[in-house]
Order: sequence, then C-alpha cells, then structure tokens
Amino acid sequence: GNSVTQMEGPVTLSEEAFLTINCTYTATGYPSLFWYVQYPGEGLQLLLKATKADDKGSNKGFEATYRKETTSFHLEKGSVQVSDSAVYFCALSERGGGNKLTFGTGTQLKVEL
Amino acid sequence: NAGVTQTPKFRVLKTGQSMTLLCAQDMNHEYMYWYRQDPGMGLRLIHYSVGEGTTAKGEVPDGYNVSRLKKQNFLLGLESAAPSQTSVYFCASSYFYRLPNTDTQYFGPGTRLTVL
Repeated sequence: GNSVTQMEGPVTLSEEAFLTINCTYTATGYPSLFWYVQYPGEGLQLLLKATKADDKGSNKGFEATYRKETTSFHLEKGSVQVSDSAVYFCALSERGGGNKLTFGTGTQLKVEL
Repeated sequence: NAGVTQTPKFRVLKTGQSMTLLCAQDMNHEYMYWYRQDPGMGLRLIHYSVGEGTTAKGEVPDGYNVSRLKKQNFLLGLESAAPSQTSVYFCASSYFYRLPNTDTQYFGPGTRLTVL
C-alpha cells in the first residue's frame, strides 16, 4: 500500500534560517505529491503540489521537487519567518479511486526571533 | 463563498452517547472525505464519498457511519461513542478527478470531540 514518511519534529529555527523538512514516499503507481500546512487551531491548507516527476511546486517562498529516483519530496525555504510556525504535512494521492490522500505524521516547525 | 464548514466546533460526549457531525461545502465538489487527526499519527481517512448517494470505507471506518444525501453535505455519525474516538475530525472536499488540476482537497476547520 501507499505510505509517507517525514522527519519527526518539533523543529526549532531562528528567524531567517534555512528550512528543510524531509519527506519520502512509497506508492504503487505515479502519485501526485502535496505539502499541506496547519496553523494553530485551523484546518489544513494546501501549500504546494507536484503532479509528475521533476516537477517543482512552490508557494510563499517554499519549494519542493518531485524526485522519482529517490521517491522524495523534501520541503525547503531559504529564510523562515515567525509566521511560518505551523505543522507541515507531506501527502500523496493516486488519481482515481476517490483522490484519497495518504498523509505523513506531520512535522511541527517553531520559528523564534 | 464559505468553502468547507463543519458543525459543531467542539463537543463532549459520554461513553455510549451518539452524535452526528455535519460537513457542508459550497464549491460544487463531487468528492468529500472525513478524517481524524490524532497526535503522532497524522490524518487518517475514515470514510469518503465520490458523489451524492455514495459512500466508501477508508482506513479506519469502524465505529462510524456516514451519509451523503445531498451533494453539498456529508454527515459523520457515531452511534455509540467510545473514549478511543476522542480526536479532532476534519472534513474535506475535492473535484472529480478527471478535470485538470483537480486532486487538491480543501479542508474544514475541524471538530474537537472528547469522549469521557
């Protein structure tokens, strides 16, 4: 079956530091890959996505590249801000069969001044 | 355009009580989903629906029932609540997958349920 593994948190960084959150996946087909973000007390919001190998998703300074050869979709940001403090979820979806998402366990990021 | 809304936001039940969580979306989405979020476990799919009048089991369906009588609504029922069902419940919706760029799910704000 499908699975997603992401690095455990919490991750604590100083403002303007570089961020990497690792994500690897196992899937039987050719999934779409997603990063969702959950701010405190809220639901999940789509941060970025990639639908095929070598695609790069980007949004709000965050980037992730779909690497089929390493089955990875690592999230990066060059300079984090306090407002980026949230829980980040990596997920995959195989098209058809209801677009069901398989999530990783989430990584909590805390950015301090 | 409210997106995905959930009712109620919070609820406390005693073991054995029943309740229904309501999810509504105004984006004309075909697909709807119910997830539960537990610490250290990410989100797990309970049930989902690919259209009005249809439902299917997800990863953790036991102890829950669902109904999709109208396209815009998806109800999650707990017939006899147990402490193991203490969780945060999220509803989500998405378009029919054959349209371009349609596999993004849109989430509601969540319902925090405590079963004593």
